[in-house]
Amino acid sequence: GAVVSQHPSWVICKSGTSVKIECRSLDFQATTMFWYRQFPKQSLMLMATSNEGSKATYEQGVEKDKFLINHASLTLSTLTVTSAHPEDSSFYICSARGGLDYEQYFGPGTRLTVT
Amino acid sequence: GQNIDQPTEMTATEGAIVQINCTYQTSGFNGLFWYQQHAGEAPTFLSYNVLDGLEEKGRFSSFLSRSKGYSYLLLKELQMKDSASYLCAVRDSNYQLIWGAGTKLIIKP
Repeated sequence: GAVVSQHPSWVICKSGTSVKIECRSLDFQATTMFWYRQFPKQSLMLMATSNEGSKATYEQGVEKDKFLINHASLTLSTLTVTSAHPEDSSFYICSARGGLDYEQYFGPGTRLTVT
Repeated sequence: GQNIDQPTEMTATEGAIVQINCTYQTSGFNGLFWYQQHAGEAPTFLSYNVLDGLEEKGRFSSFLSRSKGYSYLLLKELQMKDSASYLCAVRDSNYQLIWGAGTKLIIKP
């Protein structure tokens, strides 16, 4: 099956700093990547959808200037949390979809803790 | 609006059978997915239904009735490792996944 990786798997940063999370499709070309956030004991919340080479589409309530998404190639998308605050601490999960296969393949997730 | 309902939590006994229901109301339908998610991990794919009926895969089966907007995930011969959250998701007319809140399944010995 298709494999999606995320890096880092966990990160701790100080309030006010920025942190970048990478999402890579390892064995397929991902025309679309999705970024989700999941708070403890809650379901997945879609943050944004990005198509390779174009601007991401953000869900209502998600600040595009705070959560910068770049999908510059068919195998890599990045999410940068700028000026992080403790309330941004969450589990961030990406998924990727490619070609004629409409299945979404999930990365293992990144746990962000902002102190 | 789009809505997916599933029970918040269920408890079952090791070795038994449990059925997790999911009802949905979405703009369009292009398939229903069930995912398993252990605490602190990303979801893993369990099953996919796009036509009415039952799909069986080992200990897990998934059923779909499009006319009723209803699906269930059936887990047989429960094992302790099956303790997890089970997420129902529907792909809408835009091929976007609409997620349920998940059902936390607790398995007791």
